[in-house]
Amino acid sequence: NAGVTQTPKFQVLKTGQSMTLQCAQDMNHNSMYWYRQDPGMGLRLIYYSASEGTTDKGEVPNGYNVSRLNKREFSLRLESAAPSQTSVYFCASRIRGQGRNEQFFGPGTRLTVL
Amino acid sequence: AQSVTQPDIHITVSEGASLELRCNYSYGATPYLFWYVQSPGQGLQLLLKYFSGDTLVQGIKGFEAEFKRSQSSFNLRKPSVHWNDAAEYFCAVGFGNEKLTFGTGTRLTIIP
Repeated sequence: NAGVTQTPKFQVLKTGQSMTLQCAQDMNHNSMYWYRQDPGMGLRLIYYSASEGTTDKGEVPNGYNVSRLNKREFSLRLESAAPSQTSVYFCASRIRGQGRNEQFFGPGTRLTVL
Repeated sequence: AQSVTQPDIHITVSEGASLELRCNYSYGATPYLFWYVQSPGQGLQLLLKYFSGDTLVQGIKGFEAEFKRSQSSFNLRKPSVHWNDAAEYFCAVGFGNEKLTFGTGTRLTIIP
């Protein structure tokens, strides 16, 4: 099992450009998450999806959209990138229905917006 | 709103010394508690978790953590650190819903 995979690993954008970050998991998990990590701020939840066909906002959703394409895949889209979106983005997944279960993380995408 | 505090931004310890990383949470109910480790350029890996029962939990890589309800704490410990324990450590709490709340992290440096 590959676990949680993310593409790309690195990306540089210019202000105003758009891009989609891809995430896939092969653990048959129901719930998937997108976080951003900034120095001194820990991980902040952008969006999550409790099951295929549903998505919900997290703590910092502005400037982002998500798509839960199927059970395996959960993408994050930046429609018009801004320098404030320079960050490391992590995707995670877990089994739904048991709130105590841990989340499994991908390796991250490092995004720079110039 | 629930919150997680890791009061130490950066800790430096000598190789072979003991380690304790602090984590406090604020919320009325007993949460589910996690410690994750992040090596440079990597994702987060689960070290250990507490759901209920014995308040001292053992994890991977020789780490343990103790849940103290009276202090709303879940501190991470290791009796003797190794150079490859240098990383960033995150405490996280959940309350039975979909989401986890993460602390801001503690960066651990090991000196020879």
